[in-house]
Amino acid sequence: QKEVEQDPGPLSVPEGAIVSLNCTYSNSAFQYFMWYRQYSRKGPELLMYTYSSGNKEDGRFTAQVDKSSKYISLFIRDSQPSDSATYLCAMSVSSGSARQLTFGSGTQLTVLP
Amino acid sequence: AAGVIQSPRHLIKEKRETATLKCYPIPRHDTVYWYQQGPGQDPQFLISFYEKMQSDKGSIPDRFSAQQFSDYHSELNMSSLELGDSALYFCASSLAGADTQYFGPGTRLTVL
Repeated sequence: QKEVEQDPGPLSVPEGAIVSLNCTYSNSAFQYFMWYRQYSRKGPELLMYTYSSGNKEDGRFTAQVDKSSKYISLFIRDSQPSDSATYLCAMSVSSGSARQLTFGSGTQLTVLP
Repeated sequence: AAGVIQSPRHLIKEKRETATLKCYPIPRHDTVYWYQQGPGQDPQFLISFYEKMQSDKGSIPDRFSAQQFSDYHSELNMSSLELGDSALYFCASSLAGADTQYFGPGTRLTVL
């Protein structure tokens, strides 16, 4: 079983919808949580980063972490066709000078105009 | 803002050949990570370097080696290439101890 499980999708929503993307994890050592957006054949682009339980908002994006349930979510409000991409959750532990990321398998999102 | 630079962007090799992938981190970033992403898969951590020393090792085959140079750029050397090595190879950089990594555009390696 993978350390990080992500709702696989694919997900297709109409423009303007609220999108919810979710990951669960099993390793209690994970302390840092990130969401990356990856367009086809491009490198992952960092969207959101958080290390504490609760919500963090940045524009149309809200990252939510529940460490007690080992569950993280990314919400996208007023979704746009340009949001169509694969979304990857990623996590790292807190120790060391280099912190390798463990990724979820990604959720492919399509926002229909 | 300057981003992570990877070269080449595309590489085609035959089985049993060697390949060298290069990564130039964001200026002032001293930590470099290499990830491999197979078709339809999530990125898998290979190896990382901090201040020119290997800091962590993941699922990197023994046929692969890497190093970080004095200017902080890094090279991933791949020998005896196999068909299964065909993938996107990403480099990411960060400041030591920072929680965020910034990814390059990747090198697409195709082994025929």
